[in-house]
Amino acid sequence: AQTVTQSQPEMSVQEAETVTLSCTYDTSESNYYLFWYKQPPSRQMILVIRQEAYKQQNATENRFSVNFQKAAKSFSLKISDSQLGDTAMYFCAFMKPGNEKLTFGTGTRLTIIP
Amino acid sequence: DAGVIQSPRHEVTEMGQEVTLRCKPISGHNSLFWYRQTMMRGLELLIYFNNNVPIDDSGMPEDRFSAKMPNASFSTLKIQPSEPRDSAVYFCASSLVLAGLYEQYFGPGTRLTVT
Repeated sequence: AQTVTQSQPEMSVQEAETVTLSCTYDTSESNYYLFWYKQPPSRQMILVIRQEAYKQQNATENRFSVNFQKAAKSFSLKISDSQLGDTAMYFCAFMKPGNEKLTFGTGTRLTIIP
Repeated sequence: DAGVIQSPRHEVTEMGQEVTLRCKPISGHNSLFWYRQTMMRGLELLIYFNNNVPIDDSGMPEDRFSAKMPNASFSTLKIQPSEPRDSAVYFCASSLVLAGLYEQYFGPGTRLTVT
C-alpha cells in the first residue's frame, strides 16, 4: 500500500517570502501521479499542481512549483512571493494509474504573516 | 460552469437516524468519489464510481454505509443508523480521465454532526 508523509504539521512565513512544503511517499510503482491540494478555511479542496512520475521536468503553475525527486520519493511544493490568500492546509496526494484513489498525507498548515 | 454540488452543507442528526448526503458531479465527468475528513484519520477515500459503476469500495467503514450512483449526474451516500463517530466532513469529487489527466475536483463538503 502507498503511504504519503508530510513531516511539517505547521509552518509560517512572512508575506512575499518563499516557502517550501515537504512530502515523501512510499510506493513500488514506477508510474504514478502526485498532487498538491490546498484547503483554505472555507474547507474547499483546490488542486494546486500535478506531476506525472514519468516526466523529469518539474511542474510549475505561476507562483507554485514542485521539486520532484523520484529516486528519493520526494515531492516538495515551493510557493514563491507568498500572499495572504495562500494561508491554508496543504495536502500532498498520490495516485496510481488504473485506480483513481487518492492517498493523502496528513497535511501542513501554512500561515502567511502580513 | 458549475462545480461539484453537494447537499446539504451541514447536517445535524441524532444517533440512530438515517442520513443521506447528495452529490451532483461536474457535467461530463465520468468518475465520482466520496471522501471523509476527520481530525483523527485525515482524508480517506470511501468509494469511487466510474461510469456509474462502483470500482473501489474498500474504504467504506461498515455495512451502515452505502453509496449509489443511479445516473451520471447524481450520487448518494447513506448512513443508517448513524453514530457519533460518523461525525466528519464528507466530500464528493469528480473527474474526467482524459489523456492521462487524473484531476479530481472537489465539492464544498457536507459537515455531518451526529449527537
